[in-house]
Amino acid sequence: SYDLTQPLSVSVALGQTASITCGGSAIGSKNVHWYQQKPGQAPVLVIHRDTSRPSGIPERFSGSNSGNTATLTISRAEAGDEADYFCQVWDNRVYVFGPGTKVTV
Amino acid sequence: QVHLQQWGTGLLKTSETLSLTCAVFGGPFSGFSWSWIRQTPGKGLEWIGEITHSGGTNYNPSLKSRVTISEDTSNNHFSLSLASVTAGDTATYYCARGSQESSSFPFWGQGTVVSVSS
Repeated sequence: SYDLTQPLSVSVALGQTASITCGGSAIGSKNVHWYQQKPGQAPVLVIHRDTSRPSGIPERFSGSNSGNTATLTISRAEAGDEADYFCQVWDNRVYVFGPGTKVTV
Repeated sequence: QVHLQQWGTGLLKTSETLSLTCAVFGGPFSGFSWSWIRQTPGKGLEWIGEITHSGGTNYNPSLKSRVTISEDTSNNHFSLSLASVTAGDTATYYCARGSQESSSFPFWGQGTVVSVSS
């Protein structure tokens, strides 16, 4: 099975930039998607296909993917960005999620 | 806007069968894949399986022997059945719609908390 790794937590100051990494073998060859989840709520897709933002997601959210690491970047962090963030890929007919990163603003 | 509304039994005993249903509103049912995903504090998000746009099924190998996903296209519903549950199946279960553009899940149900006790 394909394994994804994420840091357990990331802290960012208000207005600064947070980077959340997602590691996996040759992940750069896969499409990576990112979800934001706030307590008691379902996950929300914030980035799909490495870099694309769904409608309604602020431009402050961006993504990149190369080699063995994909990265979600949150620019000009706001209090409302405090949440858990999960990466996800599709591998060998199975959808795989990363363990999640708690972002504290 | 697409909206997924799910329901089902929240409290089960060991060896019983978990049953959940998800209804789709505000968008087409046909042409998309429909998945079930669960979340536990210990194991995070785990994809259970899907029913594809052509009506076929695809299950996570770790749960395949106990899972059945079916659809009712006339009522825009799809359902999950998980047999022989144990305490390890205690989780929040989500239904989700797949994307035609990518392998992501743009729409999710509200989640159902399922607890299994002996």
